[in-house]
Order: sequence, then structure tokens, then C-alpha cells
Amino acid sequence: ELKVEQNPLFLSMQEGKNYTIYCNYSTTSDRLYWYRQDPGKSLESLFVLLSNGAVKQEGRLMASLDTKARLSTLHITAAVHDLSATYFCAVDAGSGTYKYIFGTGTRLKVLA
Amino acid sequence: NAGVMQNPRHLVRRRGQEARLRCSPMKGHSHVYWYRQLPEEGLKFMVYLQKENIIDESGMPKERFSAEFPKEGPSILRIQQVVRGDSAAYFCASSPTASADTQYFGPGTRLTVL
Repeated sequence: ELKVEQNPLFLSMQEGKNYTIYCNYSTTSDRLYWYRQDPGKSLESLFVLLSNGAVKQEGRLMASLDTKARLSTLHITAAVHDLSATYFCAVDAGSGTYKYIFGTGTRLKVLA
Repeated sequence: NAGVMQNPRHLVRRRGQEARLRCSPMKGHSHVYWYRQLPEEGLKFMVYLQKENIIDESGMPKERFSAEFPKEGPSILRIQQVVRGDSAAYFCASSPTASADTQYFGPGTRLTVL
């Protein structure tokens, strides 16, 4: 059974600092997704990573995928308060299948 | 192009009542997925439907839960005889194909069972 683990589960950081969130998964998959969720809200798609070595950047966030290590990272550069949210990674349960397996989420709080 | 729509956004039921959650996929999307999010947890897959067909219901509890996606109208997730443990946020997602690059999530229905 595919398992997806994120760490850390909670992250409190100062504005202006850098940090990385890790997403490990247990079986082969070549699709990985990062979502952001604000309290009481739905999921906002951040990145879709479709191949080994994929790297995508949007503003202060950069995501990468290493399918051989079964690892994705979400790097935050010079954090700002607006990035405070819960971040989820999700893995496609099989190549091209529909079933997303979500990580437990990383709750990020950026302190002013 | 309207996104995925869900209603109601908030639903309160007493134990033993029925809950009906509705999901209208994005225009042009014929694939619908339901997920449940318990407090402080990630989303868990429940069921995948195409028009008039249940493709995979492996994440659905065996009893009291059912889902449909009729030819006309929204997809419905139905929970009979609700219990307190059913309290959660239920999200619907849609995609144009099963192997699409991403699923688009609706705003969710937050069910509270008293």
C-alpha cells in the first residue's frame, strides 16, 4: 500500500528565512502534486511534477521531484506571512491513475 | 469557467439523520472524485465516478455511504444514519479524463454531526 509521509508536520519560521518541506512516498510513482490549504478552505494546486528531476518554481516556492529516491521537496525562500497555510503533497497511486494518496500535511506558520 | 461547485458548504445533522452532499464538476469534466478530510489530517480517497458509473469505491466505508453521478445533474454523496465520526470535510474533485495532469478541488462541505 502506498504511503506518503511529510515532514515536518509543523513548522514555525521567521519572515525572511528559508526552509524545506519533505515528502517521501513508499512505492513507485511518477506524478506528484503539491497543494496549499488555508484554514476552512479548499485545496489550491501549487505544482504538478510529472517526471524525475522535475523542478518548478512560483514566487518564493520551488518544488522538485526525485522519483528514484521517492522524494519531493518544497523549498521556501525568504518566507513571508502570506505563506502561512497547510501544505500537502499527494502522489498518484499508479502511473496515470486517478487515486491521489495525500500526505498528512505540513502546517506552516510564518512569524512577522 | 466556473470551478467545481459543492453544496451545501456547511451541513449540520443529528445522529441517525441522512446527509446528502452535492458536487457539480467543472464544465467539460466527466470524472468526479470524493475525498474525506478528518480534522488535522490529509485527504483520504473515497470514490471515483464517471457519468452513471462507479469506477472505484475502494475508499468508501462498507455501510451507510453511497455515491452516484447520474447522467444529468450533480454527483451525490449520501451518508445514511450519520454518526459523530462522520464529522469531516468532504471534498469533491473533477478532471476531464482519468489520467489528466491534475484534479481540481471544490470548496468542500463541512459536515457536523451532533
